[in-house]
Amino acid sequence: ETGVTQTPRHLVMGMTNKKSLKCEQHLGHNAMYWYKQSAKKPLELMFVYNFKEQTENNSVPSRFSPECPNSSHLFLHLHTLQPEDSALYLCASSREDSGSSSGANVLTFGAGSRLTVL
Amino acid sequence: GQNIDQPTEMTATEGAIVQINCTYQTSGFNGLFWYQQHAGEAPTFLSYNVLDGLEEKGRFSSFLSRSKGYSYLLLKELQMKDSASYLCAVRDSNYQLIWGAGTKLIIKP
Repeated sequence: ETGVTQTPRHLVMGMTNKKSLKCEQHLGHNAMYWYKQSAKKPLELMFVYNFKEQTENNSVPSRFSPECPNSSHLFLHLHTLQPEDSALYLCASSREDSGSSSGANVLTFGAGSRLTVL
Repeated sequence: GQNIDQPTEMTATEGAIVQINCTYQTSGFNGLFWYQQHAGEAPTFLSYNVLDGLEEKGRFSSFLSRSKGYSYLLLKELQMKDSASYLCAVRDSNYQLIWGAGTKLIIKP
C-alpha cells in the first residue's frame, strides 16, 4: 500500500462505453498525475494537476477527460476509446513547491488500472 | 529529441550482483531517478542522484556521471524478490521527467 489508491484495478470496456478511473491519495500531496504505461514503452505523461489546477495536457485525445475536484482525488473519464488505448493507467502524486521543483520531489504511484478496450 | 536507453531484459542468479545501465540524452539535467516495479504493482522509488558519484542504500547502489550521461543501478546479494522491472527517469531543464522503457530483471535460483 503506497498511499495512492486506484479503482478499478481492471476494466474491460467496449468502444462505445463510458467509464471512469478513480485515484485517491492520503499523503497530503498537492500534485497529481495520470500516466499511461504500455508494454515495453516508457511511461507517457498524460495530465498533471498542481494545487487542483491542470498544468499539463500532453496532447492527449479528447476521449480522455481528467477531473480533479480536490487535491486528494483525481478521475480519468473515458469515452469512445479505441483498442490502442488498452494499457495500464497509473496515477501518481507528489509534494510540489509553488516555485520550480528543486530537490527530489519523488512521485508516489498507485498500482494502476489495467484497461482493455474491445 | 530526448532519450533514455536501458536494456530491455536481464537475467541474473540469486546471490549474485547485477548492474543495470541507463544512458540519457536530455535537454538539461535536474536529477536522475530509479524506480522498481513488480508485476501488477505500483512503481516504487529506489534512488535519486543529482551529483556525480555513488549513492548506497543497503543492497542497492546508484551511480551517476553527468559528463557521460550515464547511470547504473547496482543490486548486490540478489534475492528472488528482486525480480521486477527497473525504471530509469531523468528530470530535464523544464523539470519534466523523461522515462526509459524499463529493464525487466529475472532472477534465477
